[in-house]
Amino acid sequence: RKEVEQDPGPFNVPEGATVAFNCTYSNSASQSFFWYRQDCRKEPKLLMSVYSSGNEDGRFTAQLNRASQYISLLIRDSKLSDSATYLCVVNFLSGNTPLVFGKGTRLSVIA
Amino acid sequence: AAGVIQSPRHLIKEKRETATLKCYPIPRHDTVYWYQQGPGQDPQFLISFYEKMQSDKGSIPDRFSAQQFSDYHSELNMSSLELGDSALYFCASSNIRDRKYTGELFFGEGSRLTVL
Repeated sequence: RKEVEQDPGPFNVPEGATVAFNCTYSNSASQSFFWYRQDCRKEPKLLMSVYSSGNEDGRFTAQLNRASQYISLLIRDSKLSDSATYLCVVNFLSGNTPLVFGKGTRLSVIA
Repeated sequence: AAGVIQSPRHLIKEKRETATLKCYPIPRHDTVYWYQQGPGQDPQFLISFYEKMQSDKGSIPDRFSAQQFSDYHSELNMSSLELGDSALYFCASSNIRDRKYTGELFFGEGSRLTVL
């Protein structure tokens, strides 16, 4: 079983739609959680960190459920520029240990 | 602001040849990570260095080796290349103190290796 699992999609949504991505992780001792965005053939870039209390950054909302080992990302009012692959990322240990990536969920926002 | 610099950006090699990728981390970053991303795959962690010492090892093949130098740049050496080594190789860097707060890794633009 993969350590971080995501639905690969693709999710094809019209502009203005709300879309949600989910992710599960296997290690219950995981320390920190992130959503990274990766455009085609580009490097991953941090979109937002995910906190237990949930956090919001503009149109993006991230939630963490430690009991269910589940992370979500909600995008409201989708823009064409949101089209990308969204990677669920987990740090299983604290400190400067490497991040573990999910396979990513591909989103296409259509005009 | 300075970012992670990787070179070369593109590399084409034949099977059984060797290749070397270079990574220059963001200034004052003390940790370098190497990731391999095959087509349609997630980035797979290969190896990392903290203060010039290997700190974590992932799925790096025995044919590959890496090191971090005194100026903190890192090189990934790949020998006896196979078709399956064709991938995008990312280097990322971070500072251990910053990671306590943000956890973020900063990625370079990647080196695309094609093995023919």
